Amino acid sequence: EAGVAQSPRYKIIEKRQSVAFWCNPISGHATLYWYQQILGQGPKLLIQFQNNGVVDDSQLPKDRFSAERLKGVDSTLKIQPAKLEDSAVYLCASSLRGGRSTYNEQFFGPGTRLTVL
Amino acid sequence: AQSVAQPEDQVNVAEGNPLTVKCTYSVSGNPYLFWYVQYPNRGLQFLLKYITGDNLVKGSYGFEAEFNKSQTSFHLKKPSALVSDSALYFCAVRDPGTGRRALTFGSGTRLQVQP
Repeated sequence: EAGVAQSPRYKIIEKRQSVAFWCNPISGHATLYWYQQILGQGPKLLIQFQNNGVVDDSQLPKDRFSAERLKGVDSTLKIQPAKLEDSAVYLCASSLRGGRSTYNEQFFGPGTRLTVL
Repeated sequence: AQSVAQPEDQVNVAEGNPLTVKCTYSVSGNPYLFWYVQYPNRGLQFLLKYITGDNLVKGSYGFEAEFNKSQTSFHLKKPSALVSDSALYFCAVRDPGTGRRALTFGSGTRLQVQP
């Protein structure tokens, strides 16, 4: 079974530039997550999709971050404009659809390491 | 709000010795608890989870964890450490009583197993 795919693996940009990350989840996984992992910290959820709808974006800095999952499969995360503090690894994860009181394991992609200069 | 604490930034253990990586949590209801491992330049890999039932859960690669409700802990253990176990370990929690399905992660503990 193919895992979660992400691209690019590495990206270096200057502050105020724009950047986009792409994620293709495991086939059949209805739920997709984007996490931000700053060096020395655990991953922090940015946004969660169920199919093509947003379930939780409470921690997404909406003034500069946006994400979409138009066809309910792959997803893009964009930062515009980037700040120095956005330097982090951006992880995408997917899982089968789960209910409120059930849990389906999240499978993580390798991540995109973003450096903002 | 749900939260997780991993009090040790790093744990050092000799190969063949038992290891413990500590985790405590805070949720309003009954927690779902997880351990993930992260190797360099690779994504997080699921090790084990506690949802309900037996307090001792067994996972991948010989790891196990014990859920202790009174101490709000979920420590990761292995009877005999291997050098290949050296990696970054994350504890995570989800409170199924809330509408939030995503995980809240701790800050991670680096495990170093010396040969």
